[in-house]
Formats: sequence, structure tokens, C-alpha cells
Amino acid sequence: GAVVSQHPSRVICKSGTSVKIECRSLDFQATTMFWYRQFPKQSLMLMATSNEGSKATYEQGVEKDKFLINHASLTLSTLTVTSAHPEDSSFYICSATKGQGLGYTFGSGTRLTVV
Amino acid sequence: DQQVKQNSPSLSVQEGRISILNCDYTNSMFDYFLWYKKYPAEGPTFLISISSIKDKNEDGRFTVFLNKSAKHLSLHIVPSQPGDSAVYFCAASAYSGGSNYKLTFGKGTLLTVNP
Repeated sequence: GAVVSQHPSRVICKSGTSVKIECRSLDFQATTMFWYRQFPKQSLMLMATSNEGSKATYEQGVEKDKFLINHASLTLSTLTVTSAHPEDSSFYICSATKGQGLGYTFGSGTRLTVV
Repeated sequence: DQQVKQNSPSLSVQEGRISILNCDYTNSMFDYFLWYKKYPAEGPTFLISISSIKDKNEDGRFTVFLNKSAKHLSLHIVPSQPGDSAVYFCAASAYSGGSNYKLTFGKGTLLTVNP
């Protein structure tokens, strides 16, 4: 089956620093990757959609300069939270698909805590 | 405006009985529906899906029913097992341009199966 690896699973950083989260599709080529954010007891909110080799498409209200997304290859997408602040503390999850709505596989998530 | 709604934040059932989780949606452009199971601090795991051209899909103990006219779907788990205890997310997919299909999630329902 399709496997998506997300790292790190947990990170604590100081306010003002940047954090990079990696999402890798291990056994398939992901034409599209998605980044979600989940607050406690809330839904998964889509932040952005990234296609390999092109700029990410951000959802309304998501700051593209703060949440930098790179999808340089068919198996790797990264989310960088720049100049992190405590309000950025959340659970971030990526998912990958081969495209055309053919199944979405999720990573295990990253718990970001900004202190 | 929440396009996918799971109005029951929690559900508790006895082991061996049926669990019924409900989901309503408002966007008629959704053409594919999925159920995910999620444990705390983990990414969602795909359970079962249904295309908008069908009204029922069954996989083992899990059955999803779709009522398009009512914009309602439900997940039935029978018999329920303690290991089924988790948060269940309903998600709906719609074409979002290019080769992208975007998932919209409900807020989830916490299922507790009591031994």
C-alpha cells in the first residue's frame, strides 16, 4: 500500500525561529501533496496544495510567506514555518496522492510547539 | 461556512452493537466521500469511500451509505469492537482545478466502544 512518511513527529522551537517539516511518499510518486493543520477538537483545515515543480496554491487566510511550501520532487514536499510564534503551535499533517483523486494517504503528523 | 458537518462530537456504544456515524454536506459539487479513522497525535487512516454515483459501499464490518438527495452519508460499523474507539472524520472530495481534487473534512466524531 501507499506509505507517507512525515518528520519530525514532534518539535519544540523558540519563538522567532523557523521549523521545517518533511513529507515523503515512500513507495509511490505523489503528483500532489496537501498540507493540513488541526487545532484541538477541530477539523483538519487545508492550508495549501502543492504540485511537483510548481508553486503551491494556498487556501484563503493562509500566509504564503509564513508557511513556505516546496515540492521539488515527486516524493518530497516540505513545509517551513518561518518566524514561528506561539499561535503557530498546532498539529500539522501532510497527505499525498497520485492525482486525479486516486486515494489520499496521510503522514503521521507533526506536533509543533512554539515557546 | 462549514461544508461538511458531523453534528455528533461523540458516540458511545457497547461492544458487539452497531455504531452509526453521520455526516451531512452542503456542496453539491462533492463527488467522492471518504471516512478516516484517527488516533491522537497520528495522521488519519483511510477506512472506506463511496462515489457519488453509488448509494452503498461495504468492506467487512464497515458500510457507508450515501443519500445524495438529502446530502447525507453515514458509516455503519457492525459489530463494533473496542479497537474501533477513535475519532472518525468524514471527508468530501471535489475537483479544484488542474489535476487537483481537494478534500474537505468534518470536525470528527469520537467513537468509544465499551467492552
